[in-house]
Amino acid sequence: DQQVKQNSPSLSVQEGRISILNCDYTNSMFDYFLWYKKYPAEGPTFLISISSIKDKNEDGRFTVFLNKSAKHLSLHIVPSQPGDSAVYFCAASQQGAQKLVFGQGTRLTINP
Amino acid sequence: KAGVTQTPRYLIKTRGQQVTLSCSPISGHRSVSWYQQTPGQGLQFLFEYFSETQRNKGNFPGRFSGRQFSNSRSEMNVSTLELGDSALYLCASSSGQRAGETQYFGPGTRLLVL
Repeated sequence: DQQVKQNSPSLSVQEGRISILNCDYTNSMFDYFLWYKKYPAEGPTFLISISSIKDKNEDGRFTVFLNKSAKHLSLHIVPSQPGDSAVYFCAASQQGAQKLVFGQGTRLTINP
Repeated sequence: KAGVTQTPRYLIKTRGQQVTLSCSPISGHRSVSWYQQTPGQGLQFLFEYFSETQRNKGNFPGRFSGRQFSNSRSEMNVSTLELGDSALYLCASSSGQRAGETQYFGPGTRLLVL
């Protein structure tokens, strides 16, 4: 039972364009969502988060949107840069528990 | 502040052996969580320790255990290793005291079981 799903295993975007990564969840008790970026042989690096009381959070080139009714969140990267090429994981937690439930990840490739 | 550190970075063991992995959290963080990453199952939560007590547990067999020391450093032990235990083991730390808190990950320990 996968509670957090990233249905696109890979995404290829041209440098300078917008990258949109999507994530769906099934557990309505999740109240905090995070995006992590991961390079091979390294641990995930925190990018941006959003609590369920908001529908948008922005930090520089990264914006996360949350649609609670659809149980869907997305990460927008504008403009995309070659250094953004990595695997992106969305994760969710509930009620302050220090337990993250991760999606399977989306490999983003930025083409010059 | 120094980040989360994990030792060793790489390990090779054989089936039936046991292994202990170590994690030092960010200074001041009291919560340490462990995750397993495999190609088939992705990133899965193992357990979380806060103030030397296991506070949350994932769905892993009892061969996987952990502990936390008074300085918040944590160790994870896997006994009677199986081939399927080959994975990247990640630990993450946070203060553990606020809802919706970000966890910060270490570089991981890659375990290969032969």
